[in-house]
Amino acid sequence: GAGVSQSPRYKVAKRGQDVALRCDPISGHVSLFWYQQALGQGPEFLTYFQNEAQLDKSGLPSDRFFAERPEGSVSTLKIQRTQQEDSAVYLCASSPGWEGRWEQYFGPGTRLTVT
Amino acid sequence: AQTVTQSQPEMSVQEAETVTLSCTYDTSESDYYLFWYKQPPSRQMILVIRQEAYKQQNATENRFSVNFQKAAKSFSLKISDSQLGDAAMYFCAHNTGNQFYFGTGTSLTVIP
Repeated sequence: GAGVSQSPRYKVAKRGQDVALRCDPISGHVSLFWYQQALGQGPEFLTYFQNEAQLDKSGLPSDRFFAERPEGSVSTLKIQRTQQEDSAVYLCASSPGWEGRWEQYFGPGTRLTVT
Repeated sequence: AQTVTQSQPEMSVQEAETVTLSCTYDTSESDYYLFWYKQPPSRQMILVIRQEAYKQQNATENRFSVNFQKAAKSFSLKISDSQLGDAAMYFCAHNTGNQFYFGTGTSLTVIP
């Protein structure tokens, strides 16, 4: 079966532009996570969805970041008025359950470069 | 604050030998899970091994095992009989509720 996919794989944006990053989780997975991974760092939690409900968005670094999962499957992470410090790899992960013990399946990430 | 510390940015091991990657974490919770994830150069992270904090028995998965010391908040990964395919970044992580916290990673090189 298909794994988690993300698009685009690479995105170059000029400072101030808006970007939208897409995540297609594994079909039927209840939980979906977004992470930001800066160069040489581990992933940092951004937000968590259980089905279509965004239960935790405490990791979003500013109000320029917005995520949605309207039908409980595909999710989009939107960054408005991009800044250079937004340059990172954005990882999406999905999980079949809603408890922390469930394995997360990661996508390949979207590398965002803001110039 | 929830933190995960991996004090070894880089490690190397001879093929077929054993290597141990260190991880310490900080949490005030009593119920949580610990994970080791592997991230090969293609960047798709995969789960290596998982440990429930309430279980005293150390988890094992084939050549991978952990040494979980709850009181010391230590969670090291042992890779036995290292193979070339084990070369990757390894991240230690723990979760409380729906939040996952990752360390900065250890880059493992396997020498043929």
